[in-house]
Amino acid sequence: DQQVKQNSPSLSVQEGRISILNCDYTNSMFDYFLWYKKYPAEGPTFLISISSIKDKNEDGRFTVFLNKSAKHLSLHIVPSQPGDSAVYFCAASRNQGGKLIFGQGTELSVKP
Amino acid sequence: GAGVSQTPSNKVTEKGKYVELRCDPISGHTALYWYRQSLGQGPEFLIYFQGTGAADDSGLPNDRFFAVRPEGSVSTLKIQRTERGDSAVYLCASSLIPASQDTQYFGPGTRLTVL
Repeated sequence: DQQVKQNSPSLSVQEGRISILNCDYTNSMFDYFLWYKKYPAEGPTFLISISSIKDKNEDGRFTVFLNKSAKHLSLHIVPSQPGDSAVYFCAASRNQGGKLIFGQGTELSVKP
Repeated sequence: GAGVSQTPSNKVTEKGKYVELRCDPISGHTALYWYRQSLGQGPEFLIYFQGTGAADDSGLPNDRFFAVRPEGSVSTLKIQRTERGDSAVYLCASSLIPASQDTQYFGPGTRLTVL
């Protein structure tokens, strides 16, 4: 039972353009959502998060949007840079001590 | 300061053997988490500790898996009678408190290969 899904395994974007990564979830009890970024041979690194009481959170080039009715969230990166090339995971939590449920990941490639 | 460290970085073992994977969390972090990441998948929750006690071990796949954190700092994940299906990257994370809104900091992981 995959409660958090990232249906696009990969995404390729030109430098300077917008990258949009998508994530869907099935459990309406999730109340906190996060995006992590992962480079090869490293652990995931926290990027940005959003509480279920909000529909948008912005941090520099990164913005996360949450649509609770559609059980969908997205991460926008503007402008995209080659250093953004990595695997991006979305994750969700039910405030159960911080246990995170991750999606399968989307590999982003930003071409110069 | 130092981040989360995990040893060994790589472990190759034979089917049926016992292995121990170690995690050193960030100093002062009370919550410690173990996840497992198989190829092409996201990290999958195994267990988390609040201090010395396991607060949620619902993700441990079976009784061959066990984890301890005897002094509330370092944690060891123990796998008995390893199987080929146990091959994965085992990730450890820590956070200041065990709350969903507290950032989890991940270590680089231990890549376990069971032959």
